[in-house]
Formats: sequence, structure tokens, C-alpha cells
Amino acid sequence: DGGITQSPKYLFRKEGQNVTLSCEQNLNHDAMYWYRQDPGQGLRLIYYSQIVNDFQKGDIAEGYSVSREKKESFPLTVTSAQKNPTAFYLCASITNRGGNNEQFFGPGTRLTVL
Amino acid sequence: GQNIDQPTEMTATEGAIVQINCTYQTSGFNGLFWYQQHAGEAPTFLSYNVLDGLEEKGRFSSFLSRSKGYSYLLLKELQMKDSASYLCAVPGAGNNRKLIWGLGTSLAVNP
Repeated sequence: DGGITQSPKYLFRKEGQNVTLSCEQNLNHDAMYWYRQDPGQGLRLIYYSQIVNDFQKGDIAEGYSVSREKKESFPLTVTSAQKNPTAFYLCASITNRGGNNEQFFGPGTRLTVL
Repeated sequence: GQNIDQPTEMTATEGAIVQINCTYQTSGFNGLFWYQQHAGEAPTFLSYNVLDGLEEKGRFSSFLSRSKGYSYLLLKELQMKDSASYLCAVPGAGNNRKLIWGLGTSLAVNP
């Protein structure tokens, strides 16, 4: 079945370590997005990519980095420069071939920095 | 600018009807989404409205008034499993296919 996968579901890291969150989709979608969600804060856009080898900063990109070397994959690295990395991270994708902009979400990764 | 407002919390009783409102301000309008998000899970798509009026989908209906910048999600015959956060979103300006998200309305359904 087509869908978006994120791994792992729960991730623990020590403060000061970089960590990379995986996002893979087999929906043949062009655009992919990374969001961060904190309690009471809604979804905040970190980075997005509309095509391979291109990506743009969202509203809270500081302390994060991404790459888009393949259409199917959009990994997010949380660097040690991110001051409050503990959060729920959601990856989403959308086709660029018309339609209503509905975003499809992966199951999310809950990152806890100790 | 672009902005979305929705109530933070609502409470309702099992079997009842509840209406969750969303008001928005956008520089151009290209539809409005409602998503449901259970605690600890990803948002799931509920509805998309681009024209004025009510669209019914089983127990859930969504209404849009473009002239008023207003939408609501109507949940009928509430069940305990409807306890979740309901997110309103509109596409942002430009051609980047970003969504502008409301903070969500946390609905608690009590027995």
C-alpha cells in the first residue's frame, strides 16, 4: 500500500547530539514537508521541498537541516543548535499535479532530548 | 496577512451534536481543510471546501462562507472516539502549496 513512513516512532538523544529523522513516501508525490508540533502550538513548518534537490525554509528552520536527493526521501536533521528539540515531528507530502493541496501525513516521530 | 482562529477547547456529550467554528483571513482563497488528530497521532483528512455551502460526509459535515471568511465542522451523533483535536487549514499565498494551520480545537466527548 502507498503511504508515508517515519522512523523511529520514539527517539531519545542526549543534549548536544545531532539526530536525523527519516521520512519516506511511495505515493510519487513531488512536494514534502516537515512540521514540528508542541502542546498548544499547532503545526509549525520547519522545511519544505517542492522538487528533488530543492528545498526552502519554513517558519522555524533554525537549528534544523534537510536534504532532498531522492523524490521518495526527505530526512530532517535536528542539530545541536536547536535549543528546544523535544517535540513531535510530522512529515507530510502532496502531489504537484493539480488537486486540492491535501497533505498526507506520516505517523510522526516523538523526539525526546535528555 | 494570513490568520486562522478556532476555539481552543470544547466539551460535548456522547450522542449530541457539536459545531466547531473556524474564521480565516487570507490574501487569496483556495479552499479550506479540516483535519482530525487524535492524541499522539498524525492528522487525518476530514474535508475540503472550496465553494460556499454545506458538504455532508456521514456523521461529519463542513460548511463554508467565503464572503464571511468562516467555516464550521459539524459532528453529529457524537461518539467517544470523536474526542480529538480538529484542525482548520487554508492554502497559503503563492505557488508553494503550503498550508496555514489553525492551532486546533480540542474536543472532549463525555459519556
